[in-house]
Amino acid sequence: DQQVKQNSPSLSVQEGRISILNCDYTNSMFDYFLWYKKYPAEGPTFLISISSIKDKNEDGRFTVFLNKSAKHLSLHIVPSQPGDSAVYFCAASYTGRRALTFGSGTRLQVQP
Amino acid sequence: NAGVTQTPKFRVLKTGQSMTLLCAQDMNHEYMYWYRQDPGMGLRLIHYSVGEGTTAKGEVPDGYNVSRLKKQNFLLGLESAAPSQTSVYFCASSPRTVSYGYTFGSGTRLTVV
Repeated sequence: DQQVKQNSPSLSVQEGRISILNCDYTNSMFDYFLWYKKYPAEGPTFLISISSIKDKNEDGRFTVFLNKSAKHLSLHIVPSQPGDSAVYFCAASYTGRRALTFGSGTRLQVQP
Repeated sequence: NAGVTQTPKFRVLKTGQSMTLLCAQDMNHEYMYWYRQDPGMGLRLIHYSVGEGTTAKGEVPDGYNVSRLKKQNFLLGLESAAPSQTSVYFCASSPRTVSYGYTFGSGTRLTVV
């Protein structure tokens, strides 16, 4: 049973436009969410996170939105750049848990 | 400042062979993890450790064993490799609070033929 789901395996956007990556979760205990970015032949790297006490967190071009009632979060990248082309993983955890649960990933391609 | 180092980077095994993947971190992190990445499945937790001498099972532990004899090292063993264990393996470490996120190694691509 996948507790963290990324239902879009891939997404293609034009450079300069907005990229929106979505993530749904089923475990209501999750209270911390993270996004990771992964380039080919490299390990995932931390991008941005959000606690369940917030509904939005911004870091430069990256914003994560959390809708607790819908058990849904999204990552917005504005403006998208070709260097953003990568696989993005959503991850979640809860207080006291000692590991992250990851989604299946979304491959983002930003077209020049 | 290496972070998390995994060795080897690539390996081809025959069915039934054994091998050990090594993970080393230099950040003095308490927690260490082994994940596997498969197409369409994301990253799935194999085993993890919350301190030297302790290990615990994750989502997909069957066919794997681990050891953490030193705080900085976390070993993943395959006693009798199977084609289903063909995957990319990632090691990660984190401070005691996982909400700070993990630092990942660059991965080991394992093919079992």
